[in-house]
Amino acid sequence: QKEVEQDPGPLSVPEGAIVSLNCTYSNSAFQYFMWYRQYSRKGPELLMYTYSSGNKEDGRFTAQVDKSSKYISLFIRDSQPSDSATYLCAMTGNEKLTFGTGTRLTIIP
Amino acid sequence: DARVTQTPRHKVTEMGQEVTMRCQPILGHNTVFWYRQTMMQGLELLAYFRNRAPLDDSGMPKDRFSAEMPDATLATLKIQPSEPRDSAVYFCASGAQGPAQHFGDGTRLSIL
Repeated sequence: QKEVEQDPGPLSVPEGAIVSLNCTYSNSAFQYFMWYRQYSRKGPELLMYTYSSGNKEDGRFTAQVDKSSKYISLFIRDSQPSDSATYLCAMTGNEKLTFGTGTRLTIIP
Repeated sequence: DARVTQTPRHKVTEMGQEVTMRCQPILGHNTVFWYRQTMMQGLELLAYFRNRAPLDDSGMPKDRFSAEMPDATLATLKIQPSEPRDSAVYFCASGAQGPAQHFGDGTRLSIL
């Protein structure tokens, strides 16, 4: 079993919908939780990260961490076609990141 | 906007040839990471450096891969000899304080 599990999708939603992306993990030592966005033929781009449990909001994006359930989520409000990309969760207890396999998201205009 | 720069962006070569990939980290970042991304395995950490010193290369096949930082503005990843199973996208990332890592756009490597 992998340390970080992420549904690969693909996930298609209409423009304007709320998108929910999720990861589960097994390593209790993870303290920092991140979300990266990766466009085709580009490198992962850091969207946001949180420390320990709780919520963090940045514009249309909200990250949630529930350490008791070992479950993290990324919500995208008012989704736009430009949000179409692969979203990778990542987490660490020191400085070595462990990544999920990514969820491919398509926003349909 | 500061960026990690990787060269070349694409490389196609024959099995057995030496491959060298280069990375210029973001100015002021003292930690550099090398990753490999494949469809099957996703993103895997190969090696990383802090202040040019290697900290961990346990993810790297040591018989054929080597990573160095000749100076603070250049990191290299070499494969010699290359094999078809090395075909992947290789990413460099850099970081300063904290866990955030910033990625380049990768080198897409094909070994024939």
